[in-house]
Amino acid sequence: DTEVTQTPKHLVMGMTNKKSLKCEQHMGHRAMYWYKQKAKKPPELMFVYSYEKLSINESVPSRFSPECPNSSLLNLHLHALQPEDSALYLCASSQPGRDEKLFFGSGTQLSVL
Amino acid sequence: AQSVSQHNHHVILSEAASLELGCNYSYGGTVNLFWYVQYPGQHLQLLLKYFSGDPLVKGIKGFEAEFIKSKFSFNLRKPSVQWSDTAEYFCAGGSTGGFKTIFGAGTRLFVKA
Repeated sequence: DTEVTQTPKHLVMGMTNKKSLKCEQHMGHRAMYWYKQKAKKPPELMFVYSYEKLSINESVPSRFSPECPNSSLLNLHLHALQPEDSALYLCASSQPGRDEKLFFGSGTQLSVL
Repeated sequence: AQSVSQHNHHVILSEAASLELGCNYSYGGTVNLFWYVQYPGQHLQLLLKYFSGDPLVKGIKGFEAEFIKSKFSFNLRKPSVQWSDTAEYFCAGGSTGGFKTIFGAGTRLFVKA
């Protein structure tokens, strides 16, 4: 199984809503990532978990809250988002060490109204 | 600061034409370089990667890239493109063990049948 699965595929939420994005992988990877990708732009790193510990937070606003419950799961909790947060949110995983190629999920297309 | 830059944002080619997409990086220390591809409606996937050793690396679907340390470049090439190569191509780089893979702005390739 070489897949990273993200749910939901699409999400529409209001600015007062609370929602969560979910990501799952069963490749035994111990690093998991959240990226944000706006239309026609490259992915931008948001968070990295390594061995279930948050190792990188790229100065992301606190309305985005990541969580790594175990080595296979990664969540992104959303609260009080702004319309400019609308984007494709990508989850990725890799095996820490020399070969750090990323395996990406298909993403969650988020629209904030 | 670490950065990855791609020279061409949009490229249009006819089938059987040769392809070369430019990528330059700015990194200190040991660098890992990647080319990722995003086909329409699909998730990002790895084309090829370079860590060390032979500077000419071969990837999937007939793509190759050459690492030229003196020019800080990692250009992607394919001798003869096909219509199915229409996609967006991202050059990316990171430091070994750093988890912080940074993406270039991307190049949209359109291949005319």
